[in-house]
Amino acid sequence: QVQLQESGPGLVKPSQTLSLTCTVSGGSISSGSYYWSWIRQPAGKGLEWIGRIYTSGSTNYNPSLKSRVTISIDTSKNQFSLKLSSVTAADTAVYYCVRREVYSGRNIWGQGTMVTVSS
Amino acid sequence: DIVMTQSPDSLAVSLGERATINCKSSQSVLYSSNNKNYLAWYQQKPGQPPKLLIYWASTRESGVPDRFSGSGSGTDFTLTISSLQAEDVAIYYCQHYYGTLPFSFGQGTKLEIK
Repeated sequence: QVQLQESGPGLVKPSQTLSLTCTVSGGSISSGSYYWSWIRQPAGKGLEWIGRIYTSGSTNYNPSLKSRVTISIDTSKNQFSLKLSSVTAADTAVYYCVRREVYSGRNIWGQGTMVTVSS
Repeated sequence: DIVMTQSPDSLAVSLGERATINCKSSQSVLYSSNNKNYLAWYQQKPGQPPKLLIYWASTRESGVPDRFSGSGSGTDFTLTISSLQAEDVAIYYCQHYYGTLPFSFGQGTKLEIK
């Protein structure tokens, strides 16, 4: 059974870069047809799609975040990562990594990791 | 962007009664190439990640109770819980997930027991 686990600093200073990693267990990140995505949720608010990467390395980003976001994949470590630059308090949220089937959209979520942007 | 608008924002239903949540997209999410609506429904309980209930607008995810059903096509969709159980108290979200970026979510509908 595939599981996803987010990891990274829980506190990031304003103007710095937020970096998170999602480790995939129970299956290979290289196998099958999946998108590997990041979604975030500020406390008490709704869900925001950040972006996704395919196993080939091709990416798609939310246009509102595109200038600050980089998603990458490391098949040797069975991980994919999120970098969000020039963060502000508005980037404070729970960040989820998600595996989505390309054809159907069926998906699996990590438990999420809280990131606070504060000095 | 495709804007997803859910109604109502909150809903209180008696145990055993029907709950209905609506989702309207600003553009059609029906793709003629395969006649699929790329619309998903999620359930989120406090402190947990969202859980997929329905994909392709009406296909129930494995393990989801059959009291949950999805319907609709094009721009108008509905999630129905046929007989509300206590464990169904949660926030429900719709999302489109193909084509126009970003793959936006509705604002959420909070479902409570009356």
